[in-house]
Amino acid sequence: NAGVTQTPKFRVLKTGQSMTLLCAQDMNHEYMYWYRQDPGMGLRLIHYSVGEGTTAKGEVPDGYNVSRLKKQNFLLGLESAAPSQTSVYFCASKWGGQGKGEQYFGPGTRLTVT
Amino acid sequence: AQSVTQLGSHVSVSEGALVLLRCNYSSSVPPYLFWYVQYPNQGLQLLLKYTTGATLVKGINGFEAEFKKSETSFHLTKPSAHMSDAAEYFCAVSVGRSGGSNYKLTFGKGTLLTVNP
Repeated sequence: NAGVTQTPKFRVLKTGQSMTLLCAQDMNHEYMYWYRQDPGMGLRLIHYSVGEGTTAKGEVPDGYNVSRLKKQNFLLGLESAAPSQTSVYFCASKWGGQGKGEQYFGPGTRLTVT
Repeated sequence: AQSVTQLGSHVSVSEGALVLLRCNYSSSVPPYLFWYVQYPNQGLQLLLKYTTGATLVKGINGFEAEFKKSETSFHLTKPSAHMSDAAEYFCAVSVGRSGGSNYKLTFGKGTLLTVNP
């Protein structure tokens, strides 16, 4: 059981370039989330999904797009990267919609935009 | 809207000393509360959570937290710090009601715990 995995672990982009971050989970979870973590800011929710084929905006969605074509995968896209998107990105998943459920986190992707 | 305040972005203790990390929340309905730990260059791992019932919650690695509704607090404690406890700790709140906010956690900004030998 790998849990939540993220690809890639590190990436350096130039301003204006695009990329996709992949999150995969093997726990058959319905809910998946993308967060960014910046120093002194905690984790902020970018987008989330409550099931295959659904996505919704979180707290800081601008400049990002997501897709959930398969239940086990949640993709985060940056169409035109900006230095402000330099951050560590975490994916998480959860079994159900109840607020008391635990989110399981991936190891993170460290992205630098120059 | 719910929010979380962690008092102290950095806490430093000596090995063997009491660890106290403070968390206050605001929520218009009874919350579910979580503490997560992040070791260097890793993802977040659940330490403990409060949902309903007993207000003193025990977690992994000897940590515990007490839900105090009157004080809107959920402070994390450990009687004796170990070097391996050095990490960043995040308090989070989830409001358990139907609708959009049922699916999301709101995190505090984190407290970095340093343990000195």
